[in-house]
Amino acid sequence: EAGVAQSPRYKIIEKRQSVAFWCNPISGHATLYWYQQILGQGPKLLIQFQNNGVVDDSQLPKDRFSAERLKGVDSTLKIQPAKLEDSAVYLCASSFNEGNRAFFGQGTRLTVV
Amino acid sequence: SQQGEEDPQALSIQEGENATMNCSYKTSINNLQWYRQNSGRGLVHLILIRSNEREKHSGRLRVTLDTSKKSSSLLITASRAADTASYFCATARVGNEKLTFGTGTRLTIIP
Repeated sequence: EAGVAQSPRYKIIEKRQSVAFWCNPISGHATLYWYQQILGQGPKLLIQFQNNGVVDDSQLPKDRFSAERLKGVDSTLKIQPAKLEDSAVYLCASSFNEGNRAFFGQGTRLTVV
Repeated sequence: SQQGEEDPQALSIQEGENATMNCSYKTSINNLQWYRQNSGRGLVHLILIRSNEREKHSGRLRVTLDTSKKSSSLLITASRAADTASYFCATARVGNEKLTFGTGTRLTIIP
């Protein structure tokens, strides 16, 4: 079974630029998560989708971050404009349904300079 | 905000010894899950325990759950160098099934 695919693996941008990350979940998985993981910390949930609806985005900085999941499959996470403190690994995960075990992609390491 | 907190933050043991790490959480849950993360990689699911279960085993892993104390423990028996990683607990809450991770325990196995 193919896993969760994320791209790009690495991205370096200057502050105030914009960046987008892409995630392709495991086929048939209804739930999709985006997490931000700062070095040395646990993953912080940014947004959780159930099919193409948002379950929770309470910790998404909505003035600069946006996410969408068109047709309930692929998802993109965008940051505009980026700040230095956005430097982190952005992890996408999917699960068959809410509360089930989650499968993670390899993540995108973002460095903002 | 983090739902769970792992304890200890870091743990170093000799190969062959047992490793125990603990997780405390704040709200009512449907299940609690443990994940492993090797340096620079994504997280891998280890085990899921439901709120009506008290103990679960998977190979060298043993997980306990005490919902009255809102805590869980992960025991790795007969540790190996390959077990060196960070371990996180995650909770699926009652109501919205949000999957929230704790702060993690960094485990180092000394050969």
